[in-house]
Amino acid sequence: GAGVSQSPSNKVTEKGKDVELRCDPISGHTALYWYRQSLGQGLEFLIYFQGNSAPDKSGLPSDRFSAERTGGSVSTLTIQRTQQEDSAVYLCASSRSGINTDTQYFGPGTRLTVL
Amino acid sequence: QKEVEQNSGPLSVPEGAIASLNCTYSDRGSQSFFWYRQYSGKSPELIMFIYSNGDKEDGRFTAQLNKASQYVSLLIRDSQPSDSATYLCAVGLTGNQFYFGTGTSLTVIP
Repeated sequence: GAGVSQSPSNKVTEKGKDVELRCDPISGHTALYWYRQSLGQGLEFLIYFQGNSAPDKSGLPSDRFSAERTGGSVSTLTIQRTQQEDSAVYLCASSRSGINTDTQYFGPGTRLTVL
Repeated sequence: QKEVEQNSGPLSVPEGAIASLNCTYSDRGSQSFFWYRQYSGKSPELIMFIYSNGDKEDGRFTAQLNKASQYVSLLIRDSQPSDSATYLCAVGLTGNQFYFGTGTSLTVIP
């Protein structure tokens, strides 16, 4: 596809359930980023991948959060035992080479609601 | 102290006026600076980036960077109602860390 895609677009789950969020970056982009945006807030950095490796996991809020990327392409963000404070829009972005001067292109986001 | 600070606004300007959006950052090692626009319910999209001190112009937009003062701004000339959005300042650090501000809400009044 031409842009970053994410699925699902909306996810409603019950507290305590696990959820998986998927990101498909722009073809050929080596860097992939996950952010979280709570209502009325800025973007909170979660994790980034350079290829399949995640050099920086410092932004993950707790050990309930994990992410992987396979084949240098699709990434999955998994949240285990979801809590109500996990409710937010989860945004994925990709960039061509991953250096910090690269433009990031954002996907449409997944809106997660934990009841 | 937050890595990136922005006045949350809301900032209101009349159509045709200049809108001035400001951002300060805390890490002197910051290397790259971006302005993103985010319409309500949509994802951020890049407006401009700047790496060197001074001004960078692109159409109606001008980004200004002052590394000594750790300050970056975005000027929007001839503001249009379609410019009404939240503007996010983002800073890129060494190690490929990015920090975003909480955004400034801009409303252009017809």
